[in-house]
Amino acid sequence: SAVISQKPSRDICQRGTSLTIQCQVDSQVTMMFWYRQQPGQSLTLIATANQGSEATYESGFVIDKFPISRPNLTFSTLTVSNMSPEDSSIYLCSVLLAGSTYEQYFGPGTRLTVT
Amino acid sequence: AQSVTQLDSQVPVFEEAPVELRCNYSSSVSVYLFWYVQYPNQGLQLLLKYLSGSTLVKGINGFEAEFNKSQTSFHLRKPSVHISDTAEYFCAVTNTGFQKLVFGTGTRLLVSP
Repeated sequence: SAVISQKPSRDICQRGTSLTIQCQVDSQVTMMFWYRQQPGQSLTLIATANQGSEATYESGFVIDKFPISRPNLTFSTLTVSNMSPEDSSIYLCSVLLAGSTYEQYFGPGTRLTVT
Repeated sequence: AQSVTQLDSQVPVFEEAPVELRCNYSSSVSVYLFWYVQYPNQGLQLLLKYLSGSTLVKGINGFEAEFNKSQTSFHLRKPSVHISDTAEYFCAVTNTGFQKLVFGTGTRLLVSP
Protein backbone atom coordinates (compact mmCIF):
# COMPACT_ATOMS: atom_id res chain seq x y z
CA SER A 1 0.00 0.00 0.00
CA ALA A 2 0.97 3.65 -0.01
CA VAL A 3 0.52 6.66 2.20
CA ILE A 4 -0.41 9.73 0.21
CA SER A 5 -0.48 13.17 1.77
CA GLN A 6 -1.94 16.30 0.27
CA LYS A 7 -1.46 19.90 1.30
CA PRO A 8 -3.51 21.88 2.00
CA SER A 9 -6.40 19.73 3.16
CA ARG A 10 -8.79 22.58 2.50
CA ASP A 11 -8.73 26.22 1.52
CA ILE A 12 -11.04 29.11 0.81
CA CYS A 13 -9.77 31.33 -1.98
CA GLN A 14 -10.90 34.46 -3.71
CA ARG A 15 -11.90 34.62 -7.34
CA GLY A 16 -8.98 35.35 -9.65
CA THR A 17 -6.28 33.93 -7.41
CA SER A 18 -4.32 30.68 -7.77
CA LEU A 19 -3.75 27.77 -5.42
CA THR A 20 -1.05 25.11 -5.59
CA ILE A 21 -1.83 21.68 -4.14
CA GLN A 22 0.99 19.35 -3.18
CA CYS A 23 0.93 15.56 -3.28
CA GLN A 24 3.61 13.43 -1.59
CA VAL A 25 3.79 9.63 -1.67
CA ASP A 26 5.87 7.43 0.59
CA SER A 27 6.52 4.76 -2.06
CA GLN A 28 7.89 4.47 -5.56
CA VAL A 29 5.10 4.96 -8.04
CA THR A 30 4.79 4.45 -11.76
CA MET A 31 1.96 6.84 -12.44
CA MET A 32 0.45 9.85 -10.69
CA PHE A 33 -2.92 11.34 -11.48
CA TRP A 34 -4.97 14.36 -10.52
CA TYR A 35 -8.76 14.12 -10.26
CA ARG A 36 -11.52 16.59 -9.58
CA GLN A 37 -14.66 15.70 -7.67
CA GLN A 38 -17.29 18.40 -7.87
CA PRO A 39 -19.90 18.53 -5.10
CA GLY A 40 -22.08 15.44 -5.13
CA GLN A 41 -20.52 14.10 -8.30
CA SER A 42 -18.08 11.44 -9.44
CA LEU A 43 -14.39 11.73 -10.11
CA THR A 44 -13.11 13.26 -13.30
CA LEU A 45 -9.52 12.79 -14.39
CA ILE A 46 -7.77 16.10 -14.97
CA ALA A 47 -4.38 14.82 -16.08
CA THR A 48 -1.64 12.26 -15.70
CA ALA A 49 1.47 13.78 -14.13
CA ASN A 50 4.59 12.64 -15.98
CA GLN A 51 7.97 12.79 -14.35
CA GLY A 52 10.26 15.29 -16.03
CA SER A 53 7.88 16.15 -18.84
CA GLU A 54 4.60 17.88 -19.49
CA ALA A 55 1.47 16.33 -18.01
CA THR A 56 -1.04 14.57 -20.22
CA TYR A 57 -4.36 16.41 -19.98
CA GLU A 58 -7.84 15.01 -20.50
CA SER A 59 -10.35 16.61 -22.79
CA GLY A 60 -11.71 19.79 -21.25
CA PHE A 61 -8.63 20.52 -19.14
CA VAL A 62 -5.73 22.71 -20.23
CA ILE A 63 -2.26 23.41 -18.93
CA ASP A 64 -2.82 27.14 -18.56
CA LYS A 65 -5.66 26.53 -16.12
CA PHE A 66 -4.22 23.49 -14.34
CA PRO A 67 -0.42 23.50 -14.57
CA ILE A 68 1.11 20.34 -13.11
CA SER A 69 4.63 19.53 -12.08
CA ARG A 70 6.24 16.23 -11.15
CA PRO A 71 9.91 16.78 -10.40
CA ASN A 72 10.52 13.26 -9.06
CA LEU A 73 8.86 9.87 -8.62
CA THR A 74 7.07 10.66 -5.37
CA PHE A 75 5.97 14.31 -5.56
CA SER A 76 3.63 16.33 -7.72
CA THR A 77 1.83 19.66 -7.62
CA LEU A 78 -1.39 20.85 -9.22
CA THR A 79 -2.10 24.55 -9.54
CA VAL A 80 -5.62 25.83 -10.03
CA SER A 81 -5.14 29.17 -11.78
CA ASN A 82 -7.33 32.24 -12.04
CA MET A 83 -9.99 30.57 -9.95
CA SER A 84 -13.71 31.05 -10.27
CA PRO A 85 -16.55 29.66 -8.10
CA GLU A 86 -16.94 26.83 -10.65
CA ASP A 87 -13.54 25.53 -9.53
CA SER A 88 -14.92 24.75 -6.08
CA SER A 89 -14.30 21.02 -5.79
CA ILE A 90 -12.31 18.35 -4.08
CA TYR A 91 -9.01 17.74 -5.84
CA LEU A 92 -7.54 14.27 -5.38
CA CYS A 93 -4.08 12.97 -6.05
CA SER A 94 -3.85 9.31 -7.02
CA VAL A 95 -0.98 6.94 -7.68
CA LEU A 96 -0.29 3.58 -9.23
CA LEU A 97 2.43 1.81 -7.29
CA ALA A 98 5.47 0.32 -8.98
CA GLY A 99 4.96 -3.42 -9.28
CA SER A 100 1.34 -3.23 -8.15
CA THR A 101 -1.47 -5.16 -9.73
CA TYR A 102 -3.26 -2.07 -10.97
CA GLU A 103 -4.29 -0.88 -7.53
CA GLN A 104 -4.71 2.84 -7.64
CA TYR A 105 -4.41 4.65 -4.32
CA PHE A 106 -5.98 8.00 -3.52
CA GLY A 107 -4.95 10.81 -1.28
CA PRO A 108 -7.36 12.37 1.22
CA GLY A 109 -8.16 15.23 -1.13
CA THR A 110 -8.02 19.01 -1.00
CA ARG A 111 -11.36 20.71 -0.52
CA LEU A 112 -11.30 24.02 -2.37
CA THR A 113 -13.94 26.71 -2.04
CA VAL A 114 -13.75 29.76 -4.29
CA THR A 115 -15.68 32.84 -3.24
CA ALA B 1 -13.09 4.22 -24.79
CA GLN B 2 -14.66 2.78 -21.69
CA SER B 3 -17.67 3.97 -19.74
CA VAL B 4 -19.43 2.93 -16.55
CA THR B 5 -23.08 3.18 -15.57
CA GLN B 6 -24.31 3.02 -12.02
CA LEU B 7 -28.05 3.18 -12.36
CA ASP B 8 -28.85 3.63 -8.68
CA SER B 9 -27.83 7.00 -7.28
CA GLN B 10 -29.00 6.03 -3.81
CA VAL B 11 -29.82 2.70 -2.15
CA PRO B 12 -31.52 2.73 1.25
CA VAL B 13 -31.36 -0.49 3.24
CA PHE B 14 -31.91 -1.65 6.79
CA GLU B 15 -29.08 -2.92 8.92
CA GLU B 16 -28.35 -6.66 8.51
CA ALA B 17 -30.22 -6.81 5.19
CA PRO B 18 -28.46 -7.87 1.98
CA VAL B 19 -27.57 -5.30 -0.64
CA GLU B 20 -26.58 -5.22 -4.30
CA LEU B 21 -25.13 -2.16 -5.99
CA ARG B 22 -25.31 -2.36 -9.76
CA CYS B 23 -22.56 -1.52 -12.21
CA ASN B 24 -22.56 -1.93 -15.98
CA TYR B 25 -19.68 -1.08 -18.24
CA SER B 26 -19.09 -0.50 -21.91
CA SER B 27 -15.86 -1.32 -23.70
CA SER B 28 -14.66 -2.68 -27.00
CA VAL B 29 -11.56 -4.22 -25.41
CA SER B 30 -10.77 -6.36 -22.40
CA VAL B 31 -11.13 -4.54 -19.11
CA TYR B 32 -10.16 -4.48 -15.49
CA LEU B 33 -12.92 -3.56 -13.05
CA PHE B 34 -12.83 -2.01 -9.59
CA TRP B 35 -15.08 -0.96 -6.75
CA TYR B 36 -14.05 1.90 -4.48
CA VAL B 37 -15.70 3.21 -1.32
CA GLN B 38 -15.64 6.79 -0.10
CA TYR B 39 -16.64 7.42 3.48
CA PRO B 40 -17.83 10.93 4.38
CA ASN B 41 -15.05 13.50 4.12
CA GLN B 42 -12.45 10.89 3.23
CA GLY B 43 -10.54 9.75 0.16
CA LEU B 44 -11.30 6.65 -1.87
CA GLN B 45 -10.44 3.17 -0.67
CA LEU B 46 -10.21 0.13 -2.92
CA LEU B 47 -12.82 -2.51 -2.01
CA LEU B 48 -12.02 -5.12 -4.64
CA LYS B 49 -10.87 -5.63 -8.20
CA TYR B 50 -11.29 -8.00 -11.11
CA LEU B 51 -8.29 -8.53 -13.36
CA SER B 52 -8.74 -12.10 -14.60
CA GLY B 53 -9.54 -15.60 -13.41
CA SER B 54 -12.48 -16.36 -11.16
CA THR B 55 -15.42 -14.15 -11.93
CA LEU B 56 -16.41 -13.94 -8.26
CA VAL B 57 -14.04 -11.68 -6.38
CA LYS B 58 -14.01 -11.05 -2.68
CA GLY B 59 -12.93 -7.80 -1.13
CA ILE B 60 -12.60 -6.11 2.20
CA ASN B 61 -15.38 -5.61 4.74
CA GLY B 62 -17.34 -8.65 3.52
CA PHE B 63 -18.06 -7.29 0.05
CA GLU B 64 -17.92 -9.37 -3.12
CA ALA B 65 -18.59 -8.74 -6.78
CA GLU B 66 -19.24 -10.90 -9.80
CA PHE B 67 -17.89 -10.18 -13.25
CA ASN B 68 -20.38 -11.10 -15.97
CA LYS B 69 -18.87 -10.60 -19.40
CA SER B 70 -22.02 -11.44 -21.37
CA GLN B 71 -24.03 -8.86 -19.44
CA THR B 72 -21.09 -6.46 -19.10
CA SER B 73 -21.82 -6.13 -15.42
CA PHE B 74 -19.84 -6.06 -12.19
CA HIS B 75 -22.40 -5.84 -9.41
CA LEU B 76 -21.29 -5.42 -5.80
CA ARG B 77 -22.96 -7.42 -3.05
CA LYS B 78 -22.91 -7.85 0.69
CA PRO B 79 -25.08 -10.42 2.50
CA SER B 80 -25.57 -8.34 5.64
CA VAL B 81 -24.80 -4.65 5.89
CA HIS B 82 -23.82 -2.59 8.90
CA ILE B 83 -24.47 1.02 9.77
CA SER B 84 -20.77 1.63 9.15
CA ASP B 85 -21.20 0.65 5.48
CA THR B 86 -22.99 3.94 4.85
CA ALA B 87 -20.84 5.57 2.19
CA GLU B 88 -20.52 6.38 -1.51
CA TYR B 89 -19.53 3.48 -3.73
CA PHE B 90 -17.87 3.96 -7.10
CA CYS B 91 -17.43 1.41 -9.86
CA ALA B 92 -14.48 2.00 -12.18
CA VAL B 93 -13.07 0.46 -15.35
CA THR B 94 -9.82 0.57 -17.25
CA ASN B 95 -8.49 -1.26 -20.27
CA THR B 96 -5.86 -3.95 -19.77
CA GLY B 97 -3.14 -1.48 -20.76
CA PHE B 98 -4.20 0.63 -17.77
CA GLN B 99 -4.26 4.00 -19.41
CA LYS B 100 -6.66 5.54 -16.93
CA LEU B 101 -9.56 4.72 -14.59
CA VAL B 102 -13.03 5.78 -15.67
CA PHE B 103 -15.47 6.14 -12.79
CA GLY B 104 -19.21 5.74 -12.60
CA THR B 105 -21.39 8.40 -11.02
CA GLY B 106 -21.49 6.60 -7.69
CA THR B 107 -24.15 5.00 -5.52
CA ARG B 108 -24.85 6.28 -2.05
CA LEU B 109 -25.59 3.39 0.31
CA LEU B 110 -27.68 4.48 3.28
CA VAL B 111 -27.93 1.91 6.07
CA SER B 112 -30.48 2.60 8.76
CA PRO B 113 -31.18 0.75 12.02
